[in-house]
Amino acid sequence: NAGVMQNPRHLVRRRGQEARLRCSPMKGHSHVYWYRQLPEEGLKFMVYLQKENIIDESGMPKERFSAEFPKEGPSILRIQQVVRGDSAAYFCASSPTDRVRTEAFFGQGTRLTVV
Amino acid sequence: DQQVKQNSPSLSVQEGRISILNCDYTNSMFDYFLWYKKYPAEGPTFLISISSIKDKNEDGRFTVFLNKSAKHLSLHIVPSQPGDSAVYFCAASAPNFGNEKLTFGTGTRLTIIP
Repeated sequence: NAGVMQNPRHLVRRRGQEARLRCSPMKGHSHVYWYRQLPEEGLKFMVYLQKENIIDESGMPKERFSAEFPKEGPSILRIQQVVRGDSAAYFCASSPTDRVRTEAFFGQGTRLTVV
Repeated sequence: DQQVKQNSPSLSVQEGRISILNCDYTNSMFDYFLWYKKYPAEGPTFLISISSIKDKNEDGRFTVFLNKSAKHLSLHIVPSQPGDSAVYFCAASAPNFGNEKLTFGTGTRLTIIP
């Protein structure tokens, strides 16, 4: 899973600032899933994107959170006006097809700390 | 609602013995189950999976058993090795053409005692 690159690995933001998390999928992968892991919890689905399209954002909070996967460049998860409850590890997984359950690889995650 | 449950937050096993990690699910639509292994500060790594048409899948030291009537699956590791110490997540997926998002359990921290 070293092929899925997430940066930064650690991000510290003050309350009210914006957090921008990047995910570069493996070469040839055009499907990206974002998951969030709150302390002492499992990974929770947030959003599924294909190049230039949001397929499923049912797990994403309605406010302050947005995601994109442009034709060129990494997928971005953006959190505006961060609050302490946003502190978590954010993981992305990429897949060459929509068969994520058999073909996905996870990145190492971005640990967001809101102070 | 927690559709995938791992009721044991932690488990300690002597090296060389069998480790058994358990997972229960509530959604009868789930038809594919996976186990992931996660080391601290790393992302989850796929370990083994099983389709609902099977009741057992084996890969080296790892075997996953599925009991559909009980909505229960387990991961057996034998023999356990120190490198197996990690957090193990159970995950499940329902058939959904074009969108196979995974639902994860809360994880079990396995510690192998030398």
